[in-house]
Amino acid sequence: AQSVTQLDSQVPVFEEAPVELRCNYSSSVSVYLFWYVQYPNQGLQLLLKYLSGSTLVKGINGFEAEFNKSQTSFHLRKPSVHISDTAEYFCAVSYNTDKLIFGTGTRLQVFP
Amino acid sequence: EAQVTQNPRYLITVTGKKLTVTCSQNMNHEYMSWYRQDPGLGLRQIYYSMNVEVTDKGDVPEGYKVSRKEKRNFPLILESPSPNQTSLYFCASAGLAGGLREQYFGPGTRLTVT
Repeated sequence: AQSVTQLDSQVPVFEEAPVELRCNYSSSVSVYLFWYVQYPNQGLQLLLKYLSGSTLVKGINGFEAEFNKSQTSFHLRKPSVHISDTAEYFCAVSYNTDKLIFGTGTRLQVFP
Repeated sequence: EAQVTQNPRYLITVTGKKLTVTCSQNMNHEYMSWYRQDPGLGLRQIYYSMNVEVTDKGDVPEGYKVSRKEKRNFPLILESPSPNQTSLYFCASAGLAGGLREQYFGPGTRLTVT
């Protein structure tokens, strides 16, 4: 079955430290990958997406993600986090159908 | 400003009392969808619509109804709400031209059924 796994439900990190949020998906020939961010009491906002081309994708707020087909991963990274990055992050996959399949989310907590 | 709006943002109701959550988008998108978000489960699709008068079930449609009489509106109807429908609900829309590759989400509706 098509699925998305976010292994870490919570990631605590200190301000200005680097962070990586992990995402793995079930293998498929054709796949489109997304990261969404949900700030407290807000809706989801698209952070970045991979549709094709370069495997390193840059998004908003200094985030980037790398598509790794052999490892079926799409990990999200930021070299230096800010307090304002505290939010819940969702990885999502589209297997060329009409729907997005979401992971269970990772809550990033940035401490001063 | 391009946006998806939902009303109400917060709703507390009792078991069995019919309610409707409205969703509207101003981007002329063909595709609209409803999700529910529950702790530890992420977002799960309830219903979606590819265009006016075309709706389909998602992964968790039981207990919900939708309609798509106008392109901009996609209301979610709970005919007889139950406590297990207490959740955070999101409406989303996307343009078919982009292959549904970017969905725009509303701010969410937090529903509590007692």
